[in-house]
Amino acid sequence: GQNIDQPTEMTATEGAIVQINCTYQTSGFNGLFWYQQHAGEAPTFLSYNVLDGLEEKGRFSSFLSRSKGYSYLLLKELQMKDSASYLCAVRDSNYQLIWGAGTKLIIKP
Amino acid sequence: IAGITQAPTSQILAAGRRMTLRCTQDMRHNAMYWYRQDLGLGLRLIHYSNTAGTTGKGEVPDGYSVSRANTDDFPLTLASAVPSQTSVYFCASSASGGGTDTQYFGPGTRLTVL
Repeated sequence: GQNIDQPTEMTATEGAIVQINCTYQTSGFNGLFWYQQHAGEAPTFLSYNVLDGLEEKGRFSSFLSRSKGYSYLLLKELQMKDSASYLCAVRDSNYQLIWGAGTKLIIKP
Repeated sequence: IAGITQAPTSQILAAGRRMTLRCTQDMRHNAMYWYRQDLGLGLRLIHYSNTAGTTGKGEVPDGYSVSRANTDDFPLTLASAVPSQTSVYFCASSASGGGTDTQYFGPGTRLTVL
């Protein structure tokens, strides 16, 4: 079967750095997405990786290792507004997105 | 309209009733999707449409139907609602449905079936 694993919850301090991991087992691979979802709101796109390596976008970076079935989202200089759930999703061989359950990130002052 | 809109925002429904959730996008995207989101589970695809006039089944299609008469609208119908369909429903759209395509989400409909 297809499976996306992420930690359920993480806590970090304002101004610090946090890394959210995602491991996947899917039928085929056509890219990995990270979305942010604030409570009660819709998911919004953060990043996309299809080749191995690091993609940097401001305070957020995303890494992919296809051979290990592994990705992480790195958030730097954490702000209180970064408190949200972070969703990992893989596009499979049918070009459908398979979603992880999300990681709830709690930022403390 | 800017982006994707969904209606209603929330609804409480008696079991056995028929309900249609509406979704409209103004981005001229070819592909549209319906997901449900339940606590502790990832988003699960219900139905999708890669282009107007075509639809496909996702991971959890039972009890739901869709139609795609034009590019902009993609309604989701529950023919006879059951309590297990209590969930938050998100509509999404993307330009083409493949490649580096990014999905953009509507604000969601919170549905409670009693």
